[in-house]
Amino acid sequence: QVQLKESGPGLVAPSQSLSITCTVSGFSLTSYGVHWVRQPPGKGLEWLGVIWAGGSTNYNSALMSRLSISKDNSKSQVFLKMNSLQTDDTAMYYCAREKYFDYWGQGTTLTVSS
Amino acid sequence: QIVLTQSPAIMSASPGEKVTMTCSASSSISYMHWYQQKPGTSPKRWIYDTSKLASGVPARFSGSGSGTSYSLTISSMEAEDAATYYCHQRSSYPYTFGGGTKLEIK
Repeated sequence: QVQLKESGPGLVAPSQSLSITCTVSGFSLTSYGVHWVRQPPGKGLEWLGVIWAGGSTNYNSALMSRLSISKDNSKSQVFLKMNSLQTDDTAMYYCAREKYFDYWGQGTTLTVSS
Repeated sequence: QIVLTQSPAIMSASPGEKVTMTCSASSSISYMHWYQQKPGTSPKRWIYDTSKLASGVPARFSGSGSGTSYSLTISSMEAEDAATYYCHQRSSYPYTFGGGTKLEIK
């Protein structure tokens, strides 16, 4: 069955960078795009960006300068990299499959704190 | 970017009551999509392309709208429907979500 699972560092110091991995199963990254969405504690959802099946990307313009999404099709992994982290980047980070986000990962919590 | 405004922010309904929540877009969009999220869980695709129910969504849910005004309706509230509902547009970048409507059971 279709599954997505995020993994990340959990805690990062301000001004540092982070990398979160989304490992997928049950489908091929060459057939579906994968999006990243985050949710600060107690708040709503924010779309970060997408890497499409063909490898092209689109980003939230508000974060584009700090954000990078890439993937390794052979390993069924999608990578989110964000630099210059601040406390307001503290959130749950989700990856979700294209087709209107029909499948979501469980999310990985990121806390930005010294 | 297109701003989505959901109302009300919080609402409560009794079992069997009809529920309607709305989502207003700052510019005209082609379709609206809706997600349901319960505490401690990931969002779930609920309604897509304005009115299509995702797999497993009860038929008491419906979606409608066009242009800048969209709504999600529950014909008869059930306890399991208590959740936060987010509207979402992907007509233009950046994709955006509404702030959510928290639906509680009375």
